[in-house]
Amino acid sequence: SAVISQKPSRDICQRGTSLTIQCQVDSQVTMMFWYRQQPGQSLTLIATANQGSEATYESGFVIDKFPISRPNLTFSTLTVSNMSPEDSSIYLCSVQKETQYFGPGTRLLVL
Amino acid sequence: QKEVEQNSGPLSVPEGAIASLNCTYSDRGSQSFFWYRQYSGKSPELIMFIYSNGDKEDGRFTAQLNKASQYVSLLIRDSQPSDSATYLCAVSRTALIFGKGTTLSVSS
Repeated sequence: SAVISQKPSRDICQRGTSLTIQCQVDSQVTMMFWYRQQPGQSLTLIATANQGSEATYESGFVIDKFPISRPNLTFSTLTVSNMSPEDSSIYLCSVQKETQYFGPGTRLLVL
Repeated sequence: QKEVEQNSGPLSVPEGAIASLNCTYSDRGSQSFFWYRQYSGKSPELIMFIYSNGDKEDGRFTAQLNKASQYVSLLIRDSQPSDSATYLCAVSRTALIFGKGTTLSVSS
């Protein structure tokens, strides 16, 4: 299994600002992923965070809006840039070991 | 066509009954299938995964896979009020692709 922590757990931000979310895993993992879960919706994959190379983004998500870092095999960050109220969501970090595990999520409200 | 489709529900069953949750997927090349449970305000937790056609049982849960029909289901026997949650079907590419989830309500 994997124990995943995320910081912050929640935040309220003003539109136009940026927020960086941190994800820490208790063991080295090759695959890390970032998901978004908008209110009342399921999980949508934003990108796969690759160690040592640029993240791989899904259709509809771009690096300028959601820059991702993956400096090592236990850590990743997701930045939500130039936020608008439509970015209000839960952002979830996930890792692949025997199967895919999820962090507790970061609840973001943009005013 | 969405990659993974589920009825959003709500699916309501009485305590002790069998709850049947269904999921279809579009990519015939999909190899791995997962069921996650998500309580309100919590992150998803894995219930079961299945790779091969047929049934896989784990306690009160049975996952069924039919690759020819591109169909996967989850049966919950002896449903309990604590089973009330949203159940997410997911298909594996490199990462998991999720359906919208089915909300299950078990009444006591």
